[in-house]
Amino acid sequence: DVKVTQSSRYLVKRTGEKVFLECVQDMDHENMFWYRQDPGLGLRLIYFSYDVKMKEKGDIPEGYSVSREKKERFSLILESASTNQTSMYLCASTPGKETQYFGPGTRLLVL
Amino acid sequence: EDQVTQSPEALRLQEGESSSLNCSYTVSGLRGLFWYRQDPGKGPEFLFTLYSAGEEKEKERLKATLTKKESFLHITAPKPEDSATYLCAVRENYGGATNKLIFGTGTLLAVQP
Repeated sequence: DVKVTQSSRYLVKRTGEKVFLECVQDMDHENMFWYRQDPGLGLRLIYFSYDVKMKEKGDIPEGYSVSREKKERFSLILESASTNQTSMYLCASTPGKETQYFGPGTRLLVL
Repeated sequence: EDQVTQSPEALRLQEGESSSLNCSYTVSGLRGLFWYRQDPGKGPEFLFTLYSAGEEKEKERLKATLTKKESFLHITAPKPEDSATYLCAVRENYGGATNKLIFGTGTLLAVQP
């Protein structure tokens, strides 16, 4: 079974803090994705990566950056957290052009 | 612009009352339509992938079908444990090697005993 894990299920941060969300997959997948999910807006793609050290912007990259130093790990960074970044963050991976497999999500609250 | 619309937004059924969820899409050249189930506070769980009109897939009480413009997720004799949000996504017409998906906003299904 594909396993995608995320470092935290719940996080509470202060405005202005730098926040790191980590995602690890154990299936040697080339592609990894970060989404945020908000009520009424669905899943929106923040960034994705198709190879180590490679990244591409998704639909809403502003205020975020990513890092992929190893194939199995994809990190999402909030450089200076703001209240409008309060959301559910979901990581996914896929071996190529097949379905994406999701992690359990991180619910982030920025105060 | 590629787009996915799901209806209804919410659906309440009695246990055993069959129904269907709709996912309509506009995409230039479908390269895959995906159904996911999402329980509250959890990540989406993959259910089905459909690639061509006329294709059908089944899993327990769920059956997904595909036409050229929409997909249906049929739920036969649902049970309370089928309560969840059901998400539909299509693979974006993106020239890269990866698999970018466009998601609908989901249908929240509640099955009452």
